[in-house]
Amino acid sequence: AQSVTQPDIHITVSEGASLELRCNYSYGATPYLFWYVQSPGQGLQLLLKYFSGDTLVQGIKGFEAEFKRSQSSFNLRKPSVHWSDAAEYFCAVGARNTGNQFYFGTGTSLTVIP
Amino acid sequence: NAGVTQTPKFRVLKTGQSMTLLCAQDMNHEYMYWYRQDPGMGLRLIHYSVGEGTTAKGEVPDGYNVSRLKKQNFLLGLESAAPSQTSVYFCASSYPVGYGGGANEQFFGPGTRLTVL
Repeated sequence: AQSVTQPDIHITVSEGASLELRCNYSYGATPYLFWYVQSPGQGLQLLLKYFSGDTLVQGIKGFEAEFKRSQSSFNLRKPSVHWSDAAEYFCAVGARNTGNQFYFGTGTSLTVIP
Repeated sequence: NAGVTQTPKFRVLKTGQSMTLLCAQDMNHEYMYWYRQDPGMGLRLIHYSVGEGTTAKGEVPDGYNVSRLKKQNFLLGLESAAPSQTSVYFCASSYPVGYGGGANEQFFGPGTRLTVL
């Protein structure tokens, strides 16, 4: 069965520090992987996505993610966090073989300390 | 290009009342979805549609009904609202994930905050 795990419920970092948010997935075929960000009271916005090609994917707002098939991971990174990055982050896997459903992790809440 | 829109943005119901949430998209997407978001539980799929006139159950369909009479609209109905249905509801739409050889993401609406008293 398809599933996504985000082990960290909440992370706090200082502004300017680096960030890594973890995501592990379970999927039988080649995964379609996504990272979304949700600011308070807002909908979800796509940060980046991966299906094939270079395993290091660049996204918006300076974010990147690396696909590691051997570890079933798709971790999100940012070299230097800004206060405006404080938000909820969701990892998702898209499944072609189950009616095009997307499976979301439970999210990681990011707090940025000035 | 408005993307995905949802109406209403906020609603308060009394237990037992009914209501319909409307989702509209202008991107010609075949697939549309309804999710609910509750603290600590991420997004849970209620129902989805793979095309006009077709719908399917997701993870948490009980107490909800849906209809997709037009390709651009996806309606979510609550037949008899219960306090457990207090949540934020999101609609999304997409092309098939592999369509065109790419990873096609879901586009989300701004959400509807529903409170059932």
